[in-house]
Amino acid sequence: QKEVEQNSGPLSVPEGAIASLNCTYSDRVSQSFFWYRQYSGKSPELIMSIYSNGDKEDGRFTAQLNKASQYVSLLIRDSQPSDSATYLCAVNMNGGSNYKLTFGKGTLLTVNP
Amino acid sequence: KAGVTQTPRYLIKTRGQQVTLSCSPISGHRSVSWYQQTPGQGLQFLFEYFSETQRNKGNFPGRFSGRQFSNSRSEMNVSTLELGDSALYLCASKGWGFTNTGELFFGEGSRLTVL
Repeated sequence: QKEVEQNSGPLSVPEGAIASLNCTYSDRVSQSFFWYRQYSGKSPELIMSIYSNGDKEDGRFTAQLNKASQYVSLLIRDSQPSDSATYLCAVNMNGGSNYKLTFGKGTLLTVNP
Repeated sequence: KAGVTQTPRYLIKTRGQQVTLSCSPISGHRSVSWYQQTPGQGLQFLFEYFSETQRNKGNFPGRFSGRQFSNSRSEMNVSTLELGDSALYLCASKGWGFTNTGELFFGEGSRLTVL
């Protein structure tokens, strides 16, 4: 069973701090990796995608990928109360032309003012 | 550019009934995926359609089915509803054509309650 694992949290950080969210995946052939943010009662919203090893930065968000360790993380700098949400890690673990994202169960982040 | 549109947004059914949910993808997107989200299981993949063909299917019983039309709009159907089918059903579309990469964009979902 191909899996994506995340700490469920809740992860609580003070406003202005760095929030670090982690994700591991089971399938070595995975090619693409995504972080989605889901506010309570809303649908998931894509915030970062990463396809190759290393870091990718977009504003206050940095995604890190280490395929050898089968590990992907999301750092949120200068955390704001508006960042409080569930963060979902998603991995495309299918090869070939099939497309299926496998999601972790999400980490609930709370940013305290 | 309009996003992914799902209808209906909310619906209540009773056990044994069937339900059909509709999804219109982002204009130009030809891939449509369906996911079920519950508090206990999280987001689980149902199926993906591309150019009217089911390319991939998750581990759900045959009561769950879907189809895609020539205009890329998709429907999913759940027959003989069970209490455990109560969930948020999310549709997502993807661009980039016939590739194995790319981001999914989700609709607001259809929240199904089975009584």
